[in-house]
Amino acid sequence: SQQGEEDPQALSIQEGENATMNCSYKTSINNLQWYRQNSGRGLVHLILIRSNEREKHSGRLRVTLDTSKKSSSLLITASRAADTASYFCATAEVIKAAGNKLTFGGGTRVLVKP
Amino acid sequence: EADIYQTPRYLVIGTGKKITLECSQTMGHDKMYWYQQDPGMELHLIHYSYGVNSTEKGDLSSESTVSRIRTEHFPLTLESARPSHTSQYLCASSVNRGYEQYFGPGTRLTVT
Repeated sequence: SQQGEEDPQALSIQEGENATMNCSYKTSINNLQWYRQNSGRGLVHLILIRSNEREKHSGRLRVTLDTSKKSSSLLITASRAADTASYFCATAEVIKAAGNKLTFGGGTRVLVKP
Repeated sequence: EADIYQTPRYLVIGTGKKITLECSQTMGHDKMYWYQQDPGMELHLIHYSYGVNSTEKGDLSSESTVSRIRTEHFPLTLESARPSHTSQYLCASSVNRGYEQYFGPGTRLTVT
């Protein structure tokens, strides 16, 4: 099973509403990152939160990290149609033979309806 | 948009053909990666490189091979394509291990 698992797998909301998605992981991490992928494109880095941080903001994005529960959440406030995309969490594990490879979760598909 | 490029963007080929997917970046990053993304969206690391002449296999076994002769170039080769190789292939690079990765637009490969 994968390191990062996301919930829900898909989310449909109206423009202006908030979107929340969660990521759970299994091992100790150095940091956790969130990426966005528009249909047919590569991933774009959104935000990185370190293991000693609990919350981070970037524009309309808010990320929380609870290392005791091994979970993170991404909140998109006041969503727009342009936020329609897939969102992935990625973890950089503490102990890896090759040193901190990122492991990606399965993603959450978000549809923002105008 | 990141300065990382992949060609071709789309490729349809017949079984048994040899193909090379190109990936180049102009950011001077030492670390480069190849991911395979299945229709269910999950990304699987298939190859990575931490510098010139350094290549390693990733978490998902792949019949493809890679080379890293120049810092900016990280091509992926399939000697004999099969329908099971049909997928989206994403190339990425980073300054440091475990930190922000920059992705190319991807190559969607279909093997008939």
